Amino acid sequence: QVQLVQSGAEVKKPGASVKVSCKVSGYTLTELSMHWVRQAPGKGLEWMGGFDPEDGETIYAQKFQGRVTMTEDTSTDTAYMELSSLRSEDTAVYYCATGVRSYSTHYFDYWGQGTLVTVSS
Amino acid sequence: SYVLTQPPSVSVAPGKTARITCGGNNIGSKSVHWYQQKPGQAPVLVIYYDSDRPSGIPERFSGSNSGNTATLTISRVEAGDEADYYCQVWDSSSDHGEVVFGGGTKLTVL
Repeated sequence: QVQLVQSGAEVKKPGASVKVSCKVSGYTLTELSMHWVRQAPGKGLEWMGGFDPEDGETIYAQKFQGRVTMTEDTSTDTAYMELSSLRSEDTAVYYCATGVRSYSTHYFDYWGQGTLVTVSS
Repeated sequence: SYVLTQPPSVSVAPGKTARITCGGNNIGSKSVHWYQQKPGQAPVLVIYYDSDRPSGIPERFSGSNSGNTATLTISRVEAGDEADYYCQVWDSSSDHGEVVFGGGTKLTVL
């Protein structure tokens, strides 16, 4: 059973960066494909990007290209998502989720508990 | 980019059947996945590959996909099924492909 435990809530000023962590247990990070999904208050789910095992690289949603970086520390089985140049519209709960890549599709079977990032001056 | 359209809300009485649709251009050619999200909680996968159920998901949850519409069906609805439901596909039309979510449907149990 995979468990994903995320870092705590953050408050950031516009223009700053935020780095959210996601600690894996039950499996090693190298056995998983980690993705990040966010949800603005009262809004729907929005995919930000994740690791595609078929290409062997991290892919990002076009909307976040150049502003988001997803990394992994396999020594601690921790994944990170860093979002820069924050603006108020980035206020959201950020989730890590493990992706399954099969038959030309992706879906997400395990999710972290979410991290609230608030961007406010 | 690919767009998935869901009704904002669906209401159903306990014990009845709820059907939540997800519309997309030729969505029947894609695999559709469904998530349930209760207030303050992370999403939970309830259907994958159009109609498969993860272990632990009741048989009351089923899915279908054809033409331009995918449907999540919840039979014998219970109060505990009240939640937001999201459909999701993989759109391979762009360079690297993208995950696309529908806007979500709030299921209210009357």
